[in-house]
Amino acid sequence: GEDVEQSLFLSVREGDSSVINCTYTDSSSTYLYWYKQEPGAGLQLLTYIFSNMDMKQDQRLTVLLNKKDKHLSLRIADTQTGDSAIYFCAENNAGNMLTFGGGTRLMVKP
Amino acid sequence: EPEVTQTPSHQVTQMGQEVILRCVPISNHLYFYWYRQILGQKVEFLVSFYNNEISEKSEIFDDQFSVERPDGSNFTLKIRSTKLEDSAMYFCASSEVFEGQPQHFGDGTRLSIL
Repeated sequence: GEDVEQSLFLSVREGDSSVINCTYTDSSSTYLYWYKQEPGAGLQLLTYIFSNMDMKQDQRLTVLLNKKDKHLSLRIADTQTGDSAIYFCAENNAGNMLTFGGGTRLMVKP
Repeated sequence: EPEVTQTPSHQVTQMGQEVILRCVPISNHLYFYWYRQILGQKVEFLVSFYNNEISEKSEIFDDQFSVERPDGSNFTLKIRSTKLEDSAMYFCASSEVFEGQPQHFGDGTRLSIL
């Protein structure tokens, strides 16, 4: 079945760039998403990319998609302490059912 | 910015009891979803709903579960006879159209079964 994998943890210093990686298995996915979850809160949509695109930039966020390798990444430029959260990638398949990765916990050190 | 709201934020229920989780989707959205996240596990799809009927459902969504849009604003998830393993965070989401438009999530209801 479909599967989405992410590394568990990433630690960066404030001001550095963060890169969160994700691999997925469903080649028929048409959209891939990044969500952010802060403690005690829900899933906040950060950005998404259509599968025929290689890159999407939105202010400090850059999404790169390598469809051949089924690899998605989220780069956060100038990472701030407020960016500390869990980041989930998700793909849509079988209609609009989202399959989520396990989440990457980003810790930003001052 | 419009948002999805869920109530209650935390629900504690005895095993075997019925529970109803409530959601108010974004007002112009037409598609509604429920997901759950058991502690320490991935977020899992339960069901999608459009035009007053279920569009898709996962294996998790068995006969114990049901969804309803009782009026023009609410979308509910009912678990008929709760089990310990139903303890999880339940997220409601909505989207404008089906494929492509992103799903917007509420803050979730933490369901604890005793």
